[in-house]
Amino acid sequence: QGQLAESGGGLVKPGGSLRLSCAASGFTFSDYYMSWIRQAPGKGLEWVSYISTSGSTTYYGESVKGRFTISRDNARNSLYLQMNSLRAEDTAVYFCARDLRGFRESDRWGQGTLVTVSS
Amino acid sequence: SYVLTQPPSVSVAPGQTARIPCGGNNIGRENVHWYQQKPGQAPVLVVFDDNARPSGIPERFSGSNSGNTATLTISRVEAGDEADYYCQVWDSASDHSVFGTGTKVTVL
Repeated sequence: QGQLAESGGGLVKPGGSLRLSCAASGFTFSDYYMSWIRQAPGKGLEWVSYISTSGSTTYYGESVKGRFTISRDNARNSLYLQMNSLRAEDTAVYFCARDLRGFRESDRWGQGTLVTVSS
Repeated sequence: SYVLTQPPSVSVAPGQTARIPCGGNNIGRENVHWYQQKPGQAPVLVVFDDNARPSGIPERFSGSNSGNTATLTISRVEAGDEADYYCQVWDSASDHSVFGTGTKVTVL
């Protein structure tokens, strides 16, 4: 079935940086496209970023473009999100999710990691 | 950018049918996916490609999509169906994934 586990969240000051990780297990990670999706406290889901199976193609939401970078290491079964120039509005739970067919549904999600941007 | 609009809330009595609309411009041309999210938990895929169910999802969950509205239907609603529900599409025009605004389903 497979599992995803996010880590790296925490408290960071505005303007700071943070790197999130997502560890995959129980499935062939390199076969799956991957996404980061976030959810601000009490709010809905917001798509953040997407990466192809090889990592050669990436996409970003408008609110994070130029500040966040998605990457993956298929040898380590890991997905990453480098977040720079963080703002208070980036405060959210960040989920990683997998997508087998590409540009379709995410059939498995991690439990999320909380990022809080505050002075 | 592509916008998906859902009603904030839907209330339904146990055993009845809940219908959750997701409105978007020509959404009938897109593949629509639906997620259920219970408090403090990660979202779970309940319908994909408009009307297909992942393994393990009850037949009570179904979907349809035509024109400007996609709909998630939950038949014979149970207390355990109380959750937030989100629609989602991949907008190929912008190369963005888009989530609906979300609907809280309350079982009376």
